[in-house]
Amino acid sequence: DSGVTQTPKHLITATGQRVTLRCSPRSGDLSVYWYQQSLDQGLQFLIQYYNGEERAKGNILERFSAQQFPDLHSELNLSSLELGDSALYFCASSVEGGQRNTIYFGEGSWLTVV
Amino acid sequence: GQSLEQPSEVTAVEGAIVQINCTYQTSGFYGLSWYQQHDGGAPTFLSYNALDGLEETGRFSSFLSRSDSYGYLLLQELQMKDSASYFCAVGSQGGKLIFGQGTELSVKP
Repeated sequence: DSGVTQTPKHLITATGQRVTLRCSPRSGDLSVYWYQQSLDQGLQFLIQYYNGEERAKGNILERFSAQQFPDLHSELNLSSLELGDSALYFCASSVEGGQRNTIYFGEGSWLTVV
Repeated sequence: GQSLEQPSEVTAVEGAIVQINCTYQTSGFYGLSWYQQHDGGAPTFLSYNALDGLEETGRFSSFLSRSDSYGYLLLQELQMKDSASYFCAVGSQGGKLIFGQGTELSVKP
């Protein structure tokens, strides 16, 4: 158990809908990262927050947005969902900027768009 | 931009040694790390190299050559439980961590 909690674990929704994925980082971690992993694909970096502020952006679609709240939990909002958005979405956290490139992943949220 | 290349799959037998290579291109380099992911599970940190040379952690070792933008993960005394995907990742300023596409390692009896 990494200490990073993600909810929901599984989600099935229809095209065009909107979902919110939630992440609670490890206690004491200020950075939160979101990654997308499609079937047999690598980990695509979406976005990173540090202490409530957006720090880095990756290949995140305009239909997707995220935020980190004062209590450091984070939410990833996915809207106008398409079939291709079906993937495993990981949240990860680290103390500060990922010392020694060490980030801790949650178990992921499986999203299926039908 | 940043990109990493690693083989898509590697097969080896139990007890053997296997090396997974990774080459990278990045603007601003803050170390090369390796993560292991079992099927559908959470990736877990294995090792990190910031400087050239070899880092050893038990049966796993990782090597970095910054001048060649190259590194590798060496797994010794392979066990069936080592069957997993292995990702190299490069860090950049601000802590952003970019992952390669992953290498699927199959360990056969």
